[in-house]
Amino acid sequence: GEDVEQSLFLSVREGDSSVINCTYTDSSSTYLYWYKQEPGAGLQLLTYIFSNMDMKQDQRLTVLLNKKDKHLSLRIADTQTGDSAIYFCAETLDSSYKLIFGSGTRLLVRP
Amino acid sequence: SAVISQKPSRDICQRGTSLTIQCQVDSQVTMMFWYRQQPGQSLTLIATANQGSEATYESGFVIDKFPISRPNLTFSTLTVSNMSPEDSSIYLCSVGTGQGTQYFGPGTRLLVL
Repeated sequence: GEDVEQSLFLSVREGDSSVINCTYTDSSSTYLYWYKQEPGAGLQLLTYIFSNMDMKQDQRLTVLLNKKDKHLSLRIADTQTGDSAIYFCAETLDSSYKLIFGSGTRLLVRP
Repeated sequence: SAVISQKPSRDICQRGTSLTIQCQVDSQVTMMFWYRQQPGQSLTLIATANQGSEATYESGFVIDKFPISRPNLTFSTLTVSNMSPEDSSIYLCSVGTGQGTQYFGPGTRLLVL
């Protein structure tokens, strides 16, 4: 079935790297996404990766995809206090546009 | 990316009433969607808003409770009908691009008393 799981909470010190992990169960995922939600705001698309890729880098963000283990991670380099937010991973299956979200990981960046 | 606005941004409503939420996009898009985010939870797809035809609802959501309009390629409305406190949520519209990405509006925060 469709299931996307994330750890609920991560705390890091400012300037360190953050790694947020996500696992999914369905092998027919086509795209995998990372969204950021700041308090009181909507969802901001951070980055996405097509399922035939294993890595994507965009400035401070690095996405790693391990299809064999169905594991997706988001690494934020030089984490800043402005990165404090909830991070959702999501997937779409086959040709569907339906986004299946994980529960979200709350990232807290300590000064 | 698309610029998406929603109205109202928040509202407090009495149980038994209905609220219509508007979603406006700055460009024509084929795919528009409505999601619900219950307090402290993740997002769940309510329905796909189809232009010129009835919306396609996900399991657990019905047209009588969440009627949707899509009169053109830049606008959609979601109505939350006969509200109860359990309908208190953030309601978000999103649009899909041809590259497999979805962009979200800022959301409408609804509190039902």
